[in-house]
Amino acid sequence: EAGVTQSPTHLIKTRGQQVTLRCSPISGHTSVYWYQQALGLGLQFLLWYDEGEERNRGNFPPRFSGRQFPNYSSELNVNALELEDSALYLCASSLVVGTGYAGYGYTFGSGTRLTVV
Amino acid sequence: AQSVAQPEDQVNVAEGNPLTVKCTYSVSGNPYLFWYVQYPNRGLQFLLKYITGDNLVKGSYGFEAEFNKSQTSFHLKKPSALVSDSALYFCAVRVLSSGGSYIPTFGRGTSLIVHP
Repeated sequence: EAGVTQSPTHLIKTRGQQVTLRCSPISGHTSVYWYQQALGLGLQFLLWYDEGEERNRGNFPPRFSGRQFPNYSSELNVNALELEDSALYLCASSLVVGTGYAGYGYTFGSGTRLTVV
Repeated sequence: AQSVAQPEDQVNVAEGNPLTVKCTYSVSGNPYLFWYVQYPNRGLQFLLKYITGDNLVKGSYGFEAEFNKSQTSFHLKKPSALVSDSALYFCAVRVLSSGGSYIPTFGRGTSLIVHP
């Protein structure tokens, strides 16, 4: 069984540019979570998508957005990049069982390392 | 506020000695708790979870964790540390968000360094 896959693995962008990160969940998983892991800050929750809809959002500005496709893959878009957006962006997937229940475990991809210069 | 805390940024232990990585939580209702490990430049790997049942949970790579409801803790343990256990460890809890949905919330992480 393929795990959660993220692309690209590394990315260098200039301040002010826009970037799109991609995530493919484990087959059968309908929920996708995005996290930002900046140096020294642990994992910060960004977005949760399930069944094509945004279910919850962390404390990030609107220039962080995304979407989930019918095949449950997801994109994270970041506009107007700032230097502090440099981080490892992690995607996780889980099987949502019932309404409001976020599954037992979350499987993570290896992340996309974004560097903003 | 619902949260999870890892009070130690770094834990140092000699190879062969027992190790403990601490985690405390604050949630409403029954906690769903998890431990993950992250090796350099990699994503998080699932170690173990507590949902219900026995307070001592056994997981991957010889790790175990003890759920203590009265102390609201979920410390990660291993009887004999290996140098290869050196990594970043994250405790997580399922938190009920304001929108009524559950979100996995992570601690800041604890760097475990096992010395030869």
